[in-house]
Amino acid sequence: SQQGEEDPQALSIQEGENATMNCSYKTSINNLQWYRQNSGRGLVHLILIRSNEREKHSGRLRVTLDTSKKSSSLLITASRAADTASYFCATVSSGSARQLTFGSGTQLTVLP
Amino acid sequence: GAGVSQSPRYKVTKRGQDVALRCDPISGHVSLYWYRQALGQGPEFLTYFNYEAQQDKSGLPNDRFSAERPEGSISTLTIQRTEQRDSAMYRCASRSPGQDYEQYFGPGTRLTVT
Repeated sequence: SQQGEEDPQALSIQEGENATMNCSYKTSINNLQWYRQNSGRGLVHLILIRSNEREKHSGRLRVTLDTSKKSSSLLITASRAADTASYFCATVSSGSARQLTFGSGTQLTVLP
Repeated sequence: GAGVSQSPRYKVTKRGQDVALRCDPISGHVSLYWYRQALGQGPEFLTYFNYEAQQDKSGLPNDRFSAERPEGSISTLTIQRTEQRDSAMYRCASRSPGQDYEQYFGPGTRLTVT
């Protein structure tokens, strides 16, 4: 089953604008990760934030985590047409398997 | 190899047939995961291997689904007596024990049951 919801389900912005996607989850986590999926292609890991971290940056990406609200956000700054993709948050719960539990994803379209 | 590979990339089969999906993980990755992704949804966990041991199969939907990794490298996901509802993208991922839980995904196998 899906861990939680992502908001919005779809987002359309102009090139150069910032894009913000939100993710909510239900259970206690070890860490939260964001993945990107281009149309017809595989999933690519973007960034990981641990449960004891509140914010993390990687290039044009900024991720925040609020464990009290069980939510995370992904900000992509200065978006490009190549950022057009589906973005998924995925949580890792405590336990040995470390399987990912994905949200339902946000479809981002960046218009040139 | 350079990444996780899966074969076949596309599989069309008739209802009632058995199918076998293959995953070749990144060399040295001891953890291997299978996920299933329906259209418009995120992947859902099926099963997990650590080396050759299947340590979690809680996500397998029913007993028509099975998986093995006999030598701790290549894994096969088998679906017996396929049904139309089995149609989905089947994804494999591997993880190094030294990585902080990042998983590397293969391109997936698109299964269509007619």
